[in-house]
Amino acid sequence: AQSVTQPDIHITVSEGASLELRCNYSYGATPYLFWYVQSPGQGLQLLLKYFSGDTLVQGIKGFEAEFKRSQSSFNLRKPSVHWSDAAEYFCAVGQNNNDMRFGAGTRLTVKP
Amino acid sequence: DAGITQSPRHKVTETGTPVTLRCHQTENHRYMYWYRQDPGHGLRLIHYSYGVKDTDKGEVSDGYSVSRSKTEDFLLTLESATSSQTSVYFCAISPPPGQGLGYGYTFGSGTRLTVV
Repeated sequence: AQSVTQPDIHITVSEGASLELRCNYSYGATPYLFWYVQSPGQGLQLLLKYFSGDTLVQGIKGFEAEFKRSQSSFNLRKPSVHWSDAAEYFCAVGQNNNDMRFGAGTRLTVKP
Repeated sequence: DAGITQSPRHKVTETGTPVTLRCHQTENHRYMYWYRQDPGHGLRLIHYSYGVKDTDKGEVSDGYSVSRSKTEDFLLTLESATSSQTSVYFCAISPPPGQGLGYGYTFGSGTRLTVV
């Protein structure tokens, strides 16, 4: 069965520190992979996506993610976190318009 | 979010009453979706539509119905609201398969529904 796992429910990092949010998936073939960000009271905004080509993808707001087929992972990274990055982050996978699966989310807190 | 509007933004309703949430898009996208968001569950698909009058069930469709009479509007109805349907509901849109899922979804700002 298709599934998406975000192992970390909540992560706290200091402003200026690096960040890595984990995402693992279970799928029959390599799916499309996405990271979304949700600020409080808002909808989800697409940060970046991967479906083929270079396994390191760049997104908005200075985020990047690396697809590792052997580990079925698509981890999100940022070299230096800003206080405005505090939000909830969702990994999502899918192959068609009707089978997108979302992880449970990781809430990021940024300490001053 | 630009191009997609949900109404109302907040609603409190009583158990057993019907409730309709509206999603309106100006992007002319073929696909529209209703999700619910609950702590610890991420987003779960309720129903989706792949065209006018063409809809299908998602993984948590029990107790919900949808209608799409126009490209731009996708309605979600809770036929008889229960406390377990207290949630935040999101509408999303995406281009058709020919344009690739690579575009991802565009989400509305959500409707917070409380059933008392």
